Amino acid sequence: EDKVVQSPLSLVVHEGDTVTLNCSYEVTNFRSLLWYKQEKKAPTFLFMLTSSGIEKKSGRLSSILDKKELFSILNITATQTGDSAIYLCAVPIQGAQKLVFGQGTRLTINP
Amino acid sequence: DGGITQSPKYLFRKEGQNVTLSCEQNLNHDAMYWYRQDPGQGLRLIYYSQIVNDFQKGDIAEGYSVSREKKESFPLTVTSAQKNPTAFYLCASNPGSVQGNTIYFGEGSWLTVV
Repeated sequence: EDKVVQSPLSLVVHEGDTVTLNCSYEVTNFRSLLWYKQEKKAPTFLFMLTSSGIEKKSGRLSSILDKKELFSILNITATQTGDSAIYLCAVPIQGAQKLVFGQGTRLTINP
Repeated sequence: DGGITQSPKYLFRKEGQNVTLSCEQNLNHDAMYWYRQDPGQGLRLIYYSQIVNDFQKGDIAEGYSVSREKKESFPLTVTSAQKNPTAFYLCASNPGSVQGNTIYFGEGSWLTVV
């Protein structure tokens, strides 16, 4: 069974801290891994990772994939209250016909 | 502007009643999806459709039904058989295979059973 597992499920930190969110996966015919940020409504796309060891970066956010150990991490440095959200990891399966999502990590940044 | 429109945004339902959530897209996408999200959790796939007049069950299809009579429309009916329907429902669409940022999400519908 295709599976995506995120950890931690919930994280509370202070503004300015650095956080690392984890996503592990077990899927057949892996192609890519996606990260999304969800604040109130629709998830917004952050990164797509397809190759091991190549960091994707956008401002204070970065992500990397390890295809040997079957996981990805999402780092956020110098966190701000606007980073508070649910962060979702997802993997396309079944010939990329659909996405399977992890449980999400609820990140809360306190001022 | 192109996008996905879900309605209603908020819906209250009495136990035992069926309710239909609307999802319309003007992106000319072939594939459409319905996800359920419980508070603080990830998205779980209810149903998906790759083409008009065809759809497949996702991981939690019991108590739900869908139709895909038109390319732009993929309504979801939450039936009285769904034991715990209170949740946030997200519709999504995609041109074909899911790749990166090609999947579009609607704004979601909050369903509360009272």
